[in-house]
Amino acid sequence: GENVEQHPSTLSVQEGDSAVIKCTYSDSASNYFPWYKQELGKGPQLIIDIRSNVGEKKDQRIAVTLNKTAKHFSLHITETQPEDSAVYFCAATGGGADGLTFGKGTHLIIQP
Amino acid sequence: DTAVSQTPKYLVTQMGNDKSIKCEQNLGHDTMYWYKQDSKKFLKIMFSYNNKELIINETVPNRFSPKSPDKAHLNLHINSLELGDSAVYFCASSQGGRDQPQHFGDGTRLSIL
Repeated sequence: GENVEQHPSTLSVQEGDSAVIKCTYSDSASNYFPWYKQELGKGPQLIIDIRSNVGEKKDQRIAVTLNKTAKHFSLHITETQPEDSAVYFCAATGGGADGLTFGKGTHLIIQP
Repeated sequence: DTAVSQTPKYLVTQMGNDKSIKCEQNLGHDTMYWYKQDSKKFLKIMFSYNNKELIINETVPNRFSPKSPDKAHLNLHINSLELGDSAVYFCASSQGGRDQPQHFGDGTRLSIL
């Protein structure tokens, strides 16, 4: 089955700087890679996703890149703001029960 | 309007009891899911269901059973609760299956005493 590794587990950046979170996956058949933001006491919120036929996607301050050959994808957040502080999860298709396989999460801390 | 709603938000109960968590989506999606998030925040798929098929993750004990009264609801029933069942359970939905965006509810925190 699919295995998704996510790094780092904790990331602290100064407000206004950029943050990068990286993930690798194992199943070459996976074709959909979403990123979720989870705030305390809330459910995961989809912030951006990318499909295997695309190498990069951008939405305002957030971008995702995908390297199918190397089986890794990354989340880039520019001009970070205090409200970006949260736990971020990458995910990939290919998990059991026809659902998503998630990485273990990155706790992003934005320092004022 | 809440797209995916779960009730209750918190559930505290004794070991051995049977409990249910309700989930409703108003997005018109045809596929619904249950995920479990453990104390280390690891999210794991339990079930996916559309109006044709229930797919069960092989690691889920058969004490857990999803039931769908209609397309907008997928409730989770748990029998003979164990200490290890303590977790946050999330319901999600999508249109067309796992390679489509999934929208999550805000979770139900289950605590077993």
